[in-house]
Amino acid sequence: AQSVTQLGSHVSVSEGALVLLRCNYSSSVPPYLFWYVQYPNQGLQLLLKYTSAATLVKGINGFEAEFKKSETSFHLTKPSAHMSDAAEYFCAVLPRTSGTYKYIFGTGTRLKVLA
Amino acid sequence: GAGVSQTPSNKVTEKGKYVELRCDPISGHTALYWYRQSLGQGPEFLIYFQGTGAADDSGLPNDRFFAVRPEGSVSTLKIQRTERGDSAVYLCASSLTIGGTGKFEQYFGPGTRLTVT
Repeated sequence: AQSVTQLGSHVSVSEGALVLLRCNYSSSVPPYLFWYVQYPNQGLQLLLKYTSAATLVKGINGFEAEFKKSETSFHLTKPSAHMSDAAEYFCAVLPRTSGTYKYIFGTGTRLKVLA
Repeated sequence: GAGVSQTPSNKVTEKGKYVELRCDPISGHTALYWYRQSLGQGPEFLIYFQGTGAADDSGLPNDRFFAVRPEGSVSTLKIQRTERGDSAVYLCASSLTIGGTGKFEQYFGPGTRLTVT
């Protein structure tokens, strides 16, 4: 069955440092891939999505992610962390071949930004 | 414009009681999703609707859980004979459509925190 793994339940970076949040999927057919952000007491917000040929995807708030088929990965990056980036981040997949819209979410990575 | 709203924001109930959780999607969104998020976990798919019909309810954990969307807008998630293990945040999301360019744009509500004592 399709699954998604987020390495690191907690990540801390200094303000201005590179943010790297990891996501790997398990399927022979690359799924649609998504990153969501959840701020405290708020709903999830879509950051970016990979649904077509472009492997480098740019999203909101300066985030981007690169789909790498050979590594079955879709890691999220941001060149320079800001205090407002502190939140929980979820990677999600939607199998292309399932014929349904049953999204599968990872367990999340909580990002802490240090002043 | 208004986003997805969910009521109540918090619900405390006793084991064995019946609860209803409501979701108001964004106006015009035909697809609606329910998820359950337990502490320290990501959202877990429960069910999604396209219009009034449940297109996939394979995520509902058992027959105590049921969801309806009678007019293709507001949806209610119903849980009978609640158990302590049902305690979680229940999230609702909507999207413009299942097909087409808007199909991947899920908009989430803030959730209902259910606590079963």
